Amino acid sequence: EPEVTQTPSHQVTQMGQEVILRCVPISNHLYFYWYRQILGQKVEFLVSFYNNEISEKSEIFDDQFSVERPDGSNFTLKIRSTKLEDSAMYFCASSSDRGGNIQYFGAGTRLSVL
Amino acid sequence: RKEVEQDPGPFNVPEGATVAFNCTYSNSASQSFFWYRQDCRKEPKLLMSVYSSGNEDGRFTAQLNRASQYISLLIRDSKLSDSATYLCVVNPSNTGKLIFGQGTTLQVKP
Repeated sequence: EPEVTQTPSHQVTQMGQEVILRCVPISNHLYFYWYRQILGQKVEFLVSFYNNEISEKSEIFDDQFSVERPDGSNFTLKIRSTKLEDSAMYFCASSSDRGGNIQYFGAGTRLSVL
Repeated sequence: RKEVEQDPGPFNVPEGATVAFNCTYSNSASQSFFWYRQDCRKEPKLLMSVYSSGNEDGRFTAQLNRASQYISLLIRDSKLSDSATYLCVVNPSNTGKLIFGQGTTLQVKP
């Protein structure tokens, strides 16, 4: 069964450092998403991406965040200068359509900012 | 009012019990509705989509009431493996952005 893969599974970084979280969406999917989940809280939408540009972003997705699809397979989330409050689980998802179609989630990257 | 609201539980039930979860959403124009399941520290996994006519998948039945902005999930004959957090999820505007509820925790005991 096709799946979304994310690397690394756990990233530890110092406050102020840049991190890049990587995702390989399902191969025939066209819509890509990042969500985050702070420990004990709900899953929150960060950004959606289609046709090499951002479709929608949330208030959380400020200037410190960026996304990129550098090649035909990877989809990355960059945080330029991490803060303690960026510590969370980051999930990548993809779908074949953006409407009622199902989004499939990767196993997540746990980001710990010290 | 929260965009998607669920009773966090926990619901502690014995094996074989029937349990029902409810969810309300605030945006009356919402287009698509789902129940996802999340195991501890894992990713959300789709359990089922929810349709206006109601739908069933084995032991699981989902209902949508657009007039009341209310979604439900019924689990019959609970198994130990059903223990997880059940997430009510709404796509409010056909843009792909999913809005998650806080989740309802279910513990099924032997």
